[in-house]
Amino acid sequence: KNQVEQSPQSLIILEGKNCTLQCNYTVSPFSNLRWYKQDTGRGPVSLTIMTFSENTKSNGRYTATLDADTKQSSLHITASQLSDSASYICVVSPYSSASKIIFGSGTRLSIRP
Amino acid sequence: DTEVTQTPKHLVMGMTNKKSLKCEQHMGHRAMYWYKQKAKKPPELMFVYSYEKLSINESVPSRFSPECPNSSLLNLHLHALQPEDSALYLCASSQVGTASGTDTQYFGPGTRLTVL
Repeated sequence: KNQVEQSPQSLIILEGKNCTLQCNYTVSPFSNLRWYKQDTGRGPVSLTIMTFSENTKSNGRYTATLDADTKQSSLHITASQLSDSASYICVVSPYSSASKIIFGSGTRLSIRP
Repeated sequence: DTEVTQTPKHLVMGMTNKKSLKCEQHMGHRAMYWYKQKAKKPPELMFVYSYEKLSINESVPSRFSPECPNSSLLNLHLHALQPEDSALYLCASSQVGTASGTDTQYFGPGTRLTVL
């Protein structure tokens, strides 16, 4: 069964600190993996997208990694800011259907001053 | 322009009302999607349009009726909804609707629907 699991469910860190969010997936065959940021009550915004051959992708203070062998991905946030408080969702596309993407349950990140 | 717009932002309706949600994109995308998202849950796919034709209906109740008038517009017509239909309704679009290496879905800001 195609699944995406994220950890931790929630995380609280102090402003300026770094953090890493985890994503494990069992989606096969694999097409690509994306990380989205979703503010409360708003639509998800794409941060990074990686295909099978990519190991790392950066977008400002966000760096995503992908290990296609172990089917794991991480999102590292550097020098966190209050505006980083949001849910971060890992989304995997099976190669058979880019329409039916598989969502993880998300990590709710809170940045405290 | 990587923007998907949705109107209205908020909608409150009674169970006997008929209303519509609207979505628009001008990125030339040929696939458009409706999702339903409950609080603290990931989005759930409802419908997919590919080249203005309905390609996926995830067994959604008939009180939700999608419409794609053209490649830029997507509507969701609502009739006789139930209180449990209250949720954030998200529209998304993507460049193609079939398997692709980097086919990213761009989401709109959503419509917060409350059914009384």
